[in-house]
Amino acid sequence: ETGVTQSPTHLIKTRGQQVTLRCSSQSGHNTVSWYQQALGQGPQFIFQYYREEENGRGNFPPRFSGLQFPNYSSELNVNALELDDSALYLCASSLRGDQETQYFGPGTRLLVL
Amino acid sequence: AQSVTQPDIHITVSEGASLELRCNYSYGATPYLFWYVQSPGQGLQLLLKYFSGDTLVQGIKGFEAEFKRSQSSFNLRKPSVHWSDAAEYFCAVAKEYGNKLVFGAGTILRVKS
Repeated sequence: ETGVTQSPTHLIKTRGQQVTLRCSSQSGHNTVSWYQQALGQGPQFIFQYYREEENGRGNFPPRFSGLQFPNYSSELNVNALELDDSALYLCASSLRGDQETQYFGPGTRLLVL
Repeated sequence: AQSVTQPDIHITVSEGASLELRCNYSYGATPYLFWYVQSPGQGLQLLLKYFSGDTLVQGIKGFEAEFKRSQSSFNLRKPSVHWSDAAEYFCAVAKEYGNKLVFGAGTILRVKS
């Protein structure tokens, strides 16, 4: 069974640029959630996708957007990057009906200069 | 709104000593409760979860947690800590089926030999 994978592992961007982060769900999982973890804080929920539809969103502006593909892999896109977007971005996959247990990938570390 | 409080930012214990990490949540009904562990530069690994039934739940790596409804607490325990347990521990709550995880700010565990 393959776990959750994310790419790239690290990324450096400048303010105003756009970035795309990728996530491959654990085999058999149909739900993916994205979280932002700023330094020294707990992860904060960005949004969740279930069967290619957005299924809940946290308190993040519209410049944070996502996609889920038919194979349940996912992308997180962030436009007009700001310095405060520097964080570890975590993807988690889960299977509806499995008591909402989410399995996390290793994360992508984004630095915005 | 749901919230999770982890009162201790840092805890230091001696190797072989017992450990208790505190977690309090704010939610009207019984939520789904989780403990995750994060090693430096890594994603989150699920230690254990509680949904219903027996209020003492067993997890991986010798951890256990006890749900106490009257205290809105879900404290994590381990009878004998190993140096490899040094990491950051996060308590999280999910309100309902398919919902987001709300995390506490985390507790950093240091183990001294």
